[in-house]
Amino acid sequence: GQQVMQIPQYQHVQEGEDFTTYCNSSTTLSNIQWYKQRPGGHPVFLIQLVKSGEVKKQKRLTFQFGEAKKNSSLHITATQTTDVGTYFCAGPDNNDMRFGAGTRLTVKP
Amino acid sequence: DGGITQSPKYLFRKEGQNVTLSCEQNLNHDAMYWYRQDPGQGLRLIYYSQIVNDFQKGDIAEGYSVSREKKESFPLTVTSAQKNPTAFYLCAASPGRGAGNTIYFGEGSWLTVV
Repeated sequence: GQQVMQIPQYQHVQEGEDFTTYCNSSTTLSNIQWYKQRPGGHPVFLIQLVKSGEVKKQKRLTFQFGEAKKNSSLHITATQTTDVGTYFCAGPDNNDMRFGAGTRLTVKP
Repeated sequence: DGGITQSPKYLFRKEGQNVTLSCEQNLNHDAMYWYRQDPGQGLRLIYYSQIVNDFQKGDIAEGYSVSREKKESFPLTVTSAQKNPTAFYLCAASPGRGAGNTIYFGEGSWLTVV
């Protein structure tokens, strides 16, 4: 089945630095979703992208969907300690959503 | 998120025992799921159900069983056949099964084999 590959697996930043995680698929995606899981918590839905080239913002978070709808990125500007956690992308596969392995973000105060 | 209740949050199992993890939702969602998450790993689908009295195997169903007798309930049994059951188990629900539906997760259950 379709797989979504996420990179990097880990990212450690100094507070105030920017952070980006990437999600790639070998096939065209009808949509892509992003979730955040805080340490010890459960994944929480952040956003869904549907349109080619779409860009959505949530405060310091910027989500992009590639023109070919095969890749997506999540960019966090000026990270804060509250941003720590694992960020997952999820793409459709046979009428299910398949999750990437996630990018674990740690932020040093 | 607040509409999906998993219990217990922590569970210890002796080898050879079956254990059942409870999942209840009050979101009135049709689809329910069970995922397994190992430390530092992504989410792997165990079972899913689109409708009452129907469920399908996911990617790693061996050693697990489920039932869906009521719309709001989707318990997962980890059987003794599951060789490496220690993991974090997440129950989830969505309005329907299919790409584009937001997936809502419960708070998870930690299972440890002792």
